[in-house]
Amino acid sequence: AQTVTQSQPEMSVQEAETVTLSCTYDTSESDYYLFWYKQPPSRQMILVIRQEAYKQQNATENRFSVNFQKAAKSFSLKISDSQLGDAAMYFCAYRSLTGTASKLTFGTGTRLQVTL
Amino acid sequence: DSGVTQTPKHLITATGQRVTLRCSPRSGDLSVYWYQQSLDQGLQFLIQYYNGEERAKGNILERFSAQQFPDLHSELNLSSLELGDSALYFCASSVVSTLFNEQFFGPGTRLTVL
Repeated sequence: AQTVTQSQPEMSVQEAETVTLSCTYDTSESDYYLFWYKQPPSRQMILVIRQEAYKQQNATENRFSVNFQKAAKSFSLKISDSQLGDAAMYFCAYRSLTGTASKLTFGTGTRLQVTL
Repeated sequence: DSGVTQTPKHLITATGQRVTLRCSPRSGDLSVYWYQQSLDQGLQFLIQYYNGEERAKGNILERFSAQQFPDLHSELNLSSLELGDSALYFCASSVVSTLFNEQFFGPGTRLTVL
């Protein structure tokens, strides 16, 4: 079974600065998808960014980018020019491509605080 | 707004009771997923349905059951409720279960068992 580990329960960043959230995963599969979801105080789960394992190029979505290291099974999220609205819980998630199930396996989350 | 609706938003009930949570997927989405978010267990996958049929089961208790109806809405039934069942229950939907498609999450149903 796959596992996802987020070793930083909480992080803090100043507005306009850059912060990196860490995520590692364990899998024996070669093809899979990785995601970062944001959960603001409203509790809504919002997809931030996704990465296909077969793509070497790191995904980028505006101020959000990932550092995907497949051999190291690492998938970190970099938030540039942090804004107050970025304050939320961030979850790293893994999705297998084998079999017929497509469930998401989540990490325990990192709470990001953004300070003035 | 993800397009996935869940009712009710909040539910308060007593131990031993039974409740039903409802989910309507986005228009055109055939797959429905249920997740439980609790302080103890984090975000956990419970069960997935695809076009009316069960596709995968996760850490779903025997006291819990789900189904997906012909109109594609889904219900999660929780019975013999215990204090530990208090959690936020999410429903998500996607177009096709075996290809990459983003899972769109509903706003969740917060269940409190007293």
